[in-house]
Amino acid sequence: AQTVTQSQPEMSVQEAETVTLSCTYDTSESDYYLFWYKQPPSRQMILVIRQEAYKQQNATENRFSVNFQKAAKSFSLKISDSQLGDAAMYFCARMEYGNKLVFGAGTILRVKS
Amino acid sequence: GAVVSQHPSWVICKSGTSVKIECRSLDFQATTMFWYRQFPKQSLMLMATSNEGSKATYEQGVEKDKFLINHASLTLSTLTVTSAHPEDSSFYICSARGSDRGNTIYFGEGSWLTVV
Repeated sequence: AQTVTQSQPEMSVQEAETVTLSCTYDTSESDYYLFWYKQPPSRQMILVIRQEAYKQQNATENRFSVNFQKAAKSFSLKISDSQLGDAAMYFCARMEYGNKLVFGAGTILRVKS
Repeated sequence: GAVVSQHPSWVICKSGTSVKIECRSLDFQATTMFWYRQFPKQSLMLMATSNEGSKATYEQGVEKDKFLINHASLTLSTLTVTSAHPEDSSFYICSARGSDRGNTIYFGEGSWLTVV
C-alpha cells in the first residue's frame, strides 16, 4: 500500500516561533496532490494548504508554507509566528486516483505561551 | 462555515439497533463523497467512496453489509451502521468533492457514535 508517513507524533513550539512538521509519502504517480489538514479539538478538518505535484513552486498561505521536495517525496509544513490557535492535530495527506485521501498518522502540535 | 454538514453530531444507540448518519453538501453538488472512521488519537481511515447514483466502493476490510452507504442525490449521502455493536463506537467523518470545486475536499463536522 502506498503510504504517508509523519514521523513526529508530537511537536511543541513557543508562541511567535517557527515550527516545521515533517511528512514523507510513497507514490508511483507523477502527478498528484498533497495536503495539510488541521484538526482542532472540535474535530473539524480544516484545509491548511495544498500542493500540486507538477508545480515546482512551494505553496504558501499566510503563515503556512510547505517545502515540497518531489524527488525525495517529502512535503513538510512550516508554521511561522505560531499562535495559540495553531494548536491542533495536523495531518499530511496525499490524493490518490479517484480523489481518495490517504492520511498520515498525524502530529499533535502544542503551542506554549 | 462548513460547506459540508453532517447530522447528527452525536448519537447514542443500543446494541443491535441501526443508526443513520447524513452528510450533505450545502452549496455545491457533490458527485463523490467519502466516509472515514477515526478512533481517538488516530488518523482517518477511509471506509468507502460514495458515488451519486451508483453503488459505493468499499475499502478492503470494511463490511459493506454492516456499513450501508446510499448516495441518492447530488447533495446527500447516508451511512447506516446496521446491528451496531460497542466496537462500532467511533467518530465518523464524511467529505465531499464537487465537480465545480477542483480537487479540494471539504469535510463535514463529524459524528460521534456511541453504542451501549
